[in-house]
Formats: sequence, structure tokens, C-alpha cells
Amino acid sequence: NAGVTQTPKFRVLKTGQSMTLLCAQDMNHEYMYWYRQDPGMGLRLIHYSVGEGTTAKGEVPDGYNVSRLKKQNFLLGLESAAPSQTSVYFCASSPGVAADVTEAFFGQGTRLTVV
Amino acid sequence: DAKTTQPTSMDCAEGRAANLPCNHSTISGNEYVYWYRQIHSQGPQYIIHGLKNNETNEMASLIITEDRKSSTLILPHATLRDTAVYYCIVRVGFGSRLTFGEGTQLTVNP
Repeated sequence: NAGVTQTPKFRVLKTGQSMTLLCAQDMNHEYMYWYRQDPGMGLRLIHYSVGEGTTAKGEVPDGYNVSRLKKQNFLLGLESAAPSQTSVYFCASSPGVAADVTEAFFGQGTRLTVV
Repeated sequence: DAKTTQPTSMDCAEGRAANLPCNHSTISGNEYVYWYRQIHSQGPQYIIHGLKNNETNEMASLIITEDRKSSTLILPHATLRDTAVYYCIVRVGFGSRLTFGEGTQLTVNP
């Protein structure tokens, strides 16, 4: 039972480089989310998706793009990485509209360092 | 989504009950109270949620005041493995956003 899987787990980028973080879930969930967490702080929502082919901005979307071409995958892209994007990135998914089963499941995180 | 207020940190003795408070005075009628915890930078883990009534599961109990402006998460017999940051979140049940605040750092001491 894999749940939510994030790839890669660790990455070091140089300023200006691009990369894509992959999130995959095997629970047939409608909703998926990308968060970032800076040291000593709570999670901040970057982008989210309420279904295949849809995306929406969260609290801190600047510098990131996302795509949800397949229901099970949610990709987070950094087109030109900056040191301010050094953070731990978490992906999550949740079932959708049924109010009594709306808990979100989180991946184990991707630790990204931009130098 | 309604804003929540939690103490920054709390301590609890192992084996005792841990009571974590949360204020959400601007909560709307269709918003649920959710609790998650994050152990040492792992991905957050769902604990419990409720709307009006008190709730209990294998992990914890959730007590919501009658006016719904505050709630308390209760870990009945805290263990060292319960040391974590606990987040209280208010959102509509079918909403697509799950917004985290700063949470409460609970430290369970031997």
C-alpha cells in the first residue's frame, strides 16, 4: 500500500536551474496538493488540484507551476530555481467531496536545496 | 477558511493526558475542525475531525464547545512517540484547501 509517493526525496539545484517534483497517489483521490515548509514554520499551500486537468493557486504560487494530466499524478515545476525556494516540499491527496472521508494523506517530503 | 489560534508549545508527562486547545472564533456553520500532527519533519498525519459533536477514535478525542468557537484535542495517555507539532485546521468538509497554521509543539517527557 504505497499511498502518496514523492520523487525525488533529496535534490540540490544551482540557481537558475529547473526541475520537476513528481507526486503519485494510488488511492484514486480527486484532490491533490503541494505544500512547502520552511524551517520552524508550518506548511504553506503552493498549488492544488480538484481533479484531473484542473489546477488552482494556493497561498504562495509564485515561481512554481503545476500540472495534473493524470488523476494519479501531480507535478510541481520550478522553471528557474532561486535560493528562496530552498525548502521541504510535501505532496498530499484527499478523496474529495464526501465530508466524512476528507482526511488528507501526505507524502514523506522532498528536501530541496538551491545554491 | 477560518483562522485558528494555538499555543506555541506545551509539555506533558508520559502516561498523562495531553489536552491541546484551539481557538477558532470565526468558524462558519459548515466548517469542520481537523487535527493533524507532524512528527520530526515527516509528512503530516491525520488524527481526527468533527463538526459539532465530540468525536473519539483510536488515536484521540475531540471536544468542541457548544458555540463551536474553540476545541480541545485530547491524547488520553501520552507516550514519547506523541511528541510532535499538532495542527488545528478549520475548513469546509468538502473544501479543496487545507491551510496550516504554526501549530503547537507538544513535548512528552519521561
